[in-house]
Amino acid sequence: EAQLVDSGGELIQPGGSLRLSCAASGFTFSSYSMNWVRQAPGKGLEWIAYISSASRDKYYADSVKGRFTISRDNAKNLLWLQMSSLREEDTAVYYCARGVVMNYWGLGTLVTVSS
Amino acid sequence: DIQMTQSPPSLSASVGDRVTITCQASQDISDSLNWYQQRPGKAPKLLIYDASNLESGVSSRFSGGGSGTHFTLTINTLQPEDFATYYCQHYADLPSLAFGGGTKVEMK
Repeated sequence: EAQLVDSGGELIQPGGSLRLSCAASGFTFSSYSMNWVRQAPGKGLEWIAYISSASRDKYYADSVKGRFTISRDNAKNLLWLQMSSLREEDTAVYYCARGVVMNYWGLGTLVTVSS
Repeated sequence: DIQMTQSPPSLSASVGDRVTITCQASQDISDSLNWYQQRPGKAPKLLIYDASNLESGVSSRFSGGGSGTHFTLTINTLQPEDFATYYCQHYADLPSLAFGGGTKVEMK
C-alpha cells in the first residue's frame, strides 16, 4: 500500500527558513510527479508546488514563487519543500500528495509562522 | 491561470438526502477534474477522477458528471460519514493545479 509521511513542521519566526520532508513507500516513487498542498487554519486547500517524476519540471503558485523550492531524491524516495522568507500568512498544514490526480496524501505537518 | 468556482460554499442536509455540488472552470478543461472529500483534521481523500470515474474503494453513492467548464458531484442517500467538506481540483493547465474554494456539507 502506498504511503506518504510528511514531517518537518514547527513554530518559526517571520523571515525564517524551514525544510519539510515527505517520505514515500509502497510504490515506485520515481514514476510519479509530486505536489505540496497547504491549508491555512479554517481555510480551503491551496496547491503550492509541483515537481515532475524526474525533476525536469517544477511549478509554483504565485504566493510562494521565489521563496519556496521543491525537490526530490528518487534514490531515497524523498520529497522536500525548502521554505524561506516565511511570512505569517504561510501558517498552514502542509501536505505532500502524489500525482496530478492526488490519490495519496501525507497526514500533514503544521507550520506556524509567528513571533 | 484557470480558476475554479464551487457552489454553494455550504449546505445543510439530512441523512438520506441527495446532494449536488457544482464546480465551474473559468475556461474549458475537458474532463481534467477531480473531487476530494476532507473530514475535519484529516487529509483529503480522492473520490472522483477525470470528472466521472469513481476511485477504487469509494462508495457508489458518489458520482461525478460534466465536462468543459461545468461539473457536478452528487451524493445519493447521504450518510452520517458524508458530512464533510468537498473540493474540486483541475489539472488541465500545468503549471497550475487549482482547487475550488470548497463546499461544506453540514447536518440540518
